[in-house]
Amino acid sequence: GAVVSQHPSRVICKSGTSVKIECRSLDFQATTMFWYRQFPKQSLMLMATSNEGSKATYEQGVEKDKFLINHASLTLSTLTVTSAHPEDSSFYICSARDATSGTIMETQYFGPGTRLLVL
Amino acid sequence: TQLLEQSPQFLSIQEGENLTVYCNSSSVFSSLQWYRQEPGEGPVLLVTVVTGGEVKKLKRLTFQFGDARKDSSLHITAAQPGDTGLYLCAGAGTNTGTASKLTFGTGTRLQVTL
Repeated sequence: GAVVSQHPSRVICKSGTSVKIECRSLDFQATTMFWYRQFPKQSLMLMATSNEGSKATYEQGVEKDKFLINHASLTLSTLTVTSAHPEDSSFYICSARDATSGTIMETQYFGPGTRLLVL
Repeated sequence: TQLLEQSPQFLSIQEGENLTVYCNSSSVFSSLQWYRQEPGEGPVLLVTVVTGGEVKKLKRLTFQFGDARKDSSLHITAAQPGDTGLYLCAGAGTNTGTASKLTFGTGTRLQVTL
């Protein structure tokens, strides 16, 4: 099946610094990628939809200036957490939609997640 | 806002027992997916159901989509320790703008002991 990778798998940073997380589709092209956040013992919450070549669409309550998303190619989307604070500590998961089938209900393939700890 | 409530939230059973997890909403979904997630990993797709009333079987797992496409259930027969994990349902919207977005359920944490 399709593979999605994330890098890094875990990161620890100091409060006030910025952290970049990469999401790559390894064997398919993804015009759309999604970024989720998952707090301990909770479900996944969609943060934003990343569209190749255009601006990301953010869910209500998610600050676009704090969570910068760039989808510069069909296989790479990045999420930058700017001026990170301890409350941003979470498990960040991306998913990618295979764009080849031509329908809007293509399967989303999930990455392994990135655990962010802000001290 | 589309909400998906799962029940139970947590289930601890012994190997060999049967169980059912429910996923309910007041919203209609174009499709519904079930995932299993293990600690520190991303969710892994188990099944996608699309048609109201549809039943799909995956070995010991049986998935059903409600007739009105608002709810779903996952039944596991003869649970094994390897079934332990967080089970998540996720629905895709019916509008053009939401069909590609998934709304995840609240999750059911299953623990199967020997």
